[in-house]
Amino acid sequence: DVKVTQSSRYLVKRTGEKVFLECVQDMDHENMFWYRQDPGLGLRLIYFSYDVKMKEKGDIPEGYSVSREKKERFSLILESASTNQTSMYLCASSLYIREYTQYFGPGTRLTVL
Amino acid sequence: GNSVTQMEGPVTLSEEAFLTINCTYTATGYPSLFWYVQYPGEGLQLLLKATKADDKGSNKGFEATYRKETTSFHLEKGSVQVSDSAVYFCALIRGGSEKLVFGKGTKLTVNP
Repeated sequence: DVKVTQSSRYLVKRTGEKVFLECVQDMDHENMFWYRQDPGLGLRLIYFSYDVKMKEKGDIPEGYSVSREKKERFSLILESASTNQTSMYLCASSLYIREYTQYFGPGTRLTVL
Repeated sequence: GNSVTQMEGPVTLSEEAFLTINCTYTATGYPSLFWYVQYPGEGLQLLLKATKADDKGSNKGFEATYRKETTSFHLEKGSVQVSDSAVYFCALIRGGSEKLVFGKGTKLTVNP
């Protein structure tokens, strides 16, 4: 079974802090994704990566950056956390560009005070 | 652009009732279509998928048929259980793209 793990289930940070969310997959997938999930808005893509050190902006990249130094790990960085970044963050991975099934981690619920 | 519209929730049913959650899409080309399910406190899991017109995806008693003529992918189950209580997301991915486009989700509650 594919396993996607996220470093924390719950996280509380203060405004202005730098926040790192980590995601690891164990199935040698090329593609990795970060989404945020908000009530009434569904899932929105923040960034994705199709290879090590490669990244592309999703629909809402502002205020976020990402890092992919190793194939299995994809980090989401909030450079200076703000209260409007309070959300559920979901990581996903997929095997290669034309294998469309994305596998999701359990999510990190981030609260920014 | 590509988009997915699914029925507004929440949906509340009694156990053993018939379930339909409507999903329609707008997309260029020939997208693949998915239903994902999110149980309370968990991430999303793939429930079923269909990659071409008239394909039927099925899993755990759920079914959905890719209808190109009506641009729809409605989710159905003949007899729901309390354990089916979850949020259901319809999604598409356009050929040649890596990005899933999600609907806003439909929350289903099944009462005993």
